[in-house]
Amino acid sequence: AQTVTQSQPEMSVQEAETVTLSCTYDTSESDYYLFWYKQPPSRQMILVIRQEAYKQQNATENRFSVNFQKAAKSFSLKISDSQLGDAAMYFCAYRSTYNNNDMRFGAGTRLTVKP
Amino acid sequence: DAGVIQSPRHEVTEMGQEVTLRCKPISGHDYLFWYRQTMMRGLELLIYFNNNVPIDDSGMPEDRFSAKMPNASFSTLKIQPSEPRDSAVYFCASSYRGWELFFGEGSRLTVL
Repeated sequence: AQTVTQSQPEMSVQEAETVTLSCTYDTSESDYYLFWYKQPPSRQMILVIRQEAYKQQNATENRFSVNFQKAAKSFSLKISDSQLGDAAMYFCAYRSTYNNNDMRFGAGTRLTVKP
Repeated sequence: DAGVIQSPRHEVTEMGQEVTLRCKPISGHDYLFWYRQTMMRGLELLIYFNNNVPIDDSGMPEDRFSAKMPNASFSTLKIQPSEPRDSAVYFCASSYRGWELFFGEGSRLTVL
């Protein structure tokens, strides 16, 4: 079974600085999808960014980008120019392409942004 | 377009009572998921439906939990009887063809 590990329970960043959240996963599959979700205090889970494993190019969405290292099974999220509104729990998730709905989440990283 | 709608937002009940959580997925989505979130166990997939049919309920903790999807626009998660250890935030999510999940705001359940 696939597992997703987020080794940083908490992270802190100064406003306008850059922070990187780590995620590793374990799988024997060659094709899959990876996601980062954000959960602010309002509780709703919001998709931040996604990456298809067959794509070598790292996904980017404005200030958010990933460093996808397939061989190392690593999928980190970089937030540039951090803003106060970025403060939230961030969850890394893995979805199999063989079982389209086996989406597994990491334990989450709580990000604090200091003004 | 409205997102996934869940009700109630908060539910406080006493042990032994029946609890029903409701979900309206995004129109056109063919998959619906129920997740449970706790501090100890994180996000756990309870059950999911495809085209209103339950596909995998292996995450449902025990027989006290049941879920239905009578039509494409409505699903319920029922706990009967409820226990204090069922206290958690329950999320409903929907997707189109199993692609990215769109989550509702969650229902926070407290069982006293």
